[in-house]
Amino acid sequence: AQSVTQLDSQVPVFEEAPVELRCNYSSSVSVYLFWYVQYPNQGLQLLLKYLSGSTLVKGINGFEAEFNKSQTSFHLRKPSVHISDTAEYFCAALTPNSGYALNFGKGTSLLVTP
Amino acid sequence: EAGVAQSPRYKIIEKRQSVAFWCNPISGHATLYWYQQILGQGPKLLIQFQNNGVVDDSQLPKDRFSAERLKGVDSTLKIQPAKLEDSAVYLCASSLASGQRSYEQYFGPGTRLTVT
Repeated sequence: AQSVTQLDSQVPVFEEAPVELRCNYSSSVSVYLFWYVQYPNQGLQLLLKYLSGSTLVKGINGFEAEFNKSQTSFHLRKPSVHISDTAEYFCAALTPNSGYALNFGKGTSLLVTP
Repeated sequence: EAGVAQSPRYKIIEKRQSVAFWCNPISGHATLYWYQQILGQGPKLLIQFQNNGVVDDSQLPKDRFSAERLKGVDSTLKIQPAKLEDSAVYLCASSLASGQRSYEQYFGPGTRLTVT
């Protein structure tokens, strides 16, 4: 079984500052990793995913994440945030060949202020 | 391309009443998921369909929840009778059945259920 831990429930940051949202996973087998964003009263939108290959993954809206197998982490980063990035961010994992259902972390609320 | 459609968007019911949610996935997506998202938590899988067959319903509280996808397209999730702890957002997602993009799930806007 695998689990996903998002280490920060809330991250306040000023506009144009860099941000990192942390995610750790635990699994005894290989996993695929995802970051989703949820804007108020909307469904989840895929930001980026890691399946295999390069450990640095680039996604939409200027976000990127790095898969680190030794530290079992998949942290999300953006070098300069905008007010419009204010949202809830979810890290998720799935185990290939064991169904395609996602196992989500509890989410990190990113609040960008001027 | 139209996205995943869900209705209603909001529903308020009293405990012990019944409620049903509807989902229409993206055209051509054979896999459909229902997730429950309680306030302050990440979504949790309730049930997964592949076409009209159930792949995983291990976390569905079967004494009160039921779901069907009779024609392998749209799906209905029902709660009967509802409890206070069922207050949550119910998300529907769909994905392709095979290939690398089968790992990409597309989510609908959700139905926010409040049980009073």
